[in-house]
Amino acid sequence: GNSVTQMEGPVTLSEEAFLTINCTYTATGYPSLFWYVQYPGEGLQLLLKATKADDKGSNKGFEATYRKETTSFHLEKGSVQVSDSAVYFCALPYNTNAGKSTFGDGTTLTVKP
Amino acid sequence: GAVVSQHPSRVICKSGTSVKIECRSLDFQATTMFWYRQFPKQSLMLMATSNEGSKATYEQGVEKDKFLINHASLTLSTLTVTSAHPEDSSFYICSAQRGRQGSGYTFGSGTRLTVV
Repeated sequence: GNSVTQMEGPVTLSEEAFLTINCTYTATGYPSLFWYVQYPGEGLQLLLKATKADDKGSNKGFEATYRKETTSFHLEKGSVQVSDSAVYFCALPYNTNAGKSTFGDGTTLTVKP
Repeated sequence: GAVVSQHPSRVICKSGTSVKIECRSLDFQATTMFWYRQFPKQSLMLMATSNEGSKATYEQGVEKDKFLINHASLTLSTLTVTSAHPEDSSFYICSAQRGRQGSGYTFGSGTRLTVV
């Protein structure tokens, strides 16, 4: 069945450091891929997505490229800020065949000034 | 540890009836739970934030009288879809905040609602 494996956290970085959060997936076909972010005290928000192979999703300085050959969708940001401190989830969308939505376990990022 | 049980996993109901979905934290206390809705191949949409012992906070555009949320205890939140219509057919998923802010979140397995 579908699954997502996400880099374990927590991750602590200094401001302006480079961020990578790894995500690999197992799925039938070529589903869309999502990165969600959850800031303290708030619900999930869609951060970025990619709908097909080699697509690059980007938002707020974050990027992730849909790599079919490595079944990966790693999240990157060149220079993190304190305000990026949050929990990040890699996810497959709800699939009618699978009957469920699939999330990674979440990676907690803390950025220190 | 940190398991969230969501029931039912699938439900089919007739138009005009109400459906209740339960979200339970099995081995931790969840002061805050979140309810999401997702259509096939699309991203999650936050519907509401549920805090134990107080009224839920609904996102803009979500009808609070249609989607009733009750968070009566530290381990249980319920979402009731009242007078369901076919357009309410969707995938609903809850998540629970583990402890204080920043402690992490655990997702339920989701409920697929089909209104006929």
